[in-house]
Amino acid sequence: QSVLTQPPSASGTPGQRVTISCSGSSSNIGSNYVYWYQQLPGTAPKLLIYRNNERPSGVPDRFSGSKSGTSASLAISGLRSEDEADYFCAAWDDSLNDSWVFGGGTKLTVL
Amino acid sequence: QVQLEESGGGVVQPGRSLRLSCAASGFTFSNYAVHWVRQAPGKGLEWVAFISYDGSNKYYADSVKGRFTISRDNSKNTLYLQMNSLRAEDTAVYYCARGLSTYDAFDIWGQGTMVTVSS
Repeated sequence: QSVLTQPPSASGTPGQRVTISCSGSSSNIGSNYVYWYQQLPGTAPKLLIYRNNERPSGVPDRFSGSKSGTSASLAISGLRSEDEADYFCAAWDDSLNDSWVFGGGTKLTVL
Repeated sequence: QVQLEESGGGVVQPGRSLRLSCAASGFTFSNYAVHWVRQAPGKGLEWVAFISYDGSNKYYADSVKGRFTISRDNSKNTLYLQMNSLRAEDTAVYYCARGLSTYDAFDIWGQGTMVTVSS
């Protein structure tokens, strides 16, 4: 069971806006940055969002991140077929056992 | 081109050992913290271990503490993961990943190497 909670699946049609949530606690999301990763089938994860809402160079501005309290969200606007992938959130957890923690992942389907 | 390339995976019996390597290129390896992250078949991501840019600080997930050792050789631009007392639940694709900074998560990932623990 993952420390961060994500919905197992999400879907949308081309051009639509979808959001993926990530819920945590005061020891992780509540006090640290959130990161988002995209994993296309059979490939390594790719950094999409860092420090809650920053985009690395090369990531389209269709992808955006936000955080409020102990929850975070990834929004994808202008949905495209190539966005079909697994999405993971991550955060540092400074509870008893300092560690990086992930969400279980959300499978995004473009209908 | 910034790149990480893992090697050393394979099939190993429970209780045995394996050492993974990760070769870095295209950036100044000695300036960056690096991590190992794994993904069991069909499952999510699990952080395994962290080592600071100079090797002075190391952190481990509880699930591998005492069994796995992370190390690096900055003269060879290479990261290692020594895995001892392997268990079936260690079966996964192992990724090395560069830290965006010492206190940030992972920005560059390798392609991964598969480790299967089975008798």
